Amino acid sequence: NAGVTQTPKFQVLKTGQSMTLQCAQDMNHNSMYWYRQDPGMGLRLIYYSASEGTTDKGEVPNGYNVSRLNKREFSLRLESAAPSQTSVYFCASSEVGSPLHFGNGTRLTVT
Amino acid sequence: LAKTTQPISMDSYEGQEVNITCSHNNIATNDYITWYQQFPSQGPRFIIQGYKTKVTNEVASLFIPADRKSSTLSLPRVSLSDTAVYYCLVGPAYNNNDMRFGAGTRLTVKP
Repeated sequence: NAGVTQTPKFQVLKTGQSMTLQCAQDMNHNSMYWYRQDPGMGLRLIYYSASEGTTDKGEVPNGYNVSRLNKREFSLRLESAAPSQTSVYFCASSEVGSPLHFGNGTRLTVT
Repeated sequence: LAKTTQPISMDSYEGQEVNITCSHNNIATNDYITWYQQFPSQGPRFIIQGYKTKVTNEVASLFIPADRKSSTLSLPRVSLSDTAVYYCLVGPAYNNNDMRFGAGTRLTVKP
C-alpha cells in the first residue's frame, strides 16, 4: 500500500521556469493538501482540496496554482518560479475526522 | 486559530522517558490536540490525538489537564530512532484545513 506518492523527489529550476509537482493517494481520501516547509520551520499550507472538484487557498497561496485532477491526484504548479519558492513541498491526504497522511516530499531549488 | 508553544529542542538518552509539553492557552471548545513526528527527509507522521484526560497507544501517551491549556506528549523508553521533530497541533478534529504546524520540538536521543 503506497499511501501518498509525490513526484519528482528532487528538482532544480531556473528563475522564471515553470513546473508541476504531482501527488497521488491510494487511500480513497476526499481531502488533499499541499504544504511547503522551509529550513527550521514548520509546514505551511499552500492550497487544499476538501473534495474532488473543489480547491481553496491556504496560508501561502501566492505564486502557486493547483488542480484536483480526480479523487486520487492533486497537482501543484509553479508558473514562474522564484528563488523564494526554494523549499520542500509535501502533499497530504485525509478523510474527515482522520489525521493527515503525508508523502515524502519534493525538494525544489530555484536558482 | 489556537496558537501553540513548545520547546525548540530537547535532548535525552536511550531508555529514558521523554515528556514534551505544548501550551495552547486559547484552545477552543471543539479543538483536539494532535501530535505528529517528522524524521529527516520524510513527511510528518501522525502519533496521537486527544481531547481531554489521557490517551495511550502503542507509540506514546498524551496527557491533557482539565483546563486543556496545555498537553504533554510522553514517549516511554526512547531509542535512537526516536530522534525527530515533534509537532503539536490544535484544531477541530474534523477540519485539517485549520491545523497549523509550528516549528516543532527537535528531540535528539543520545546513546
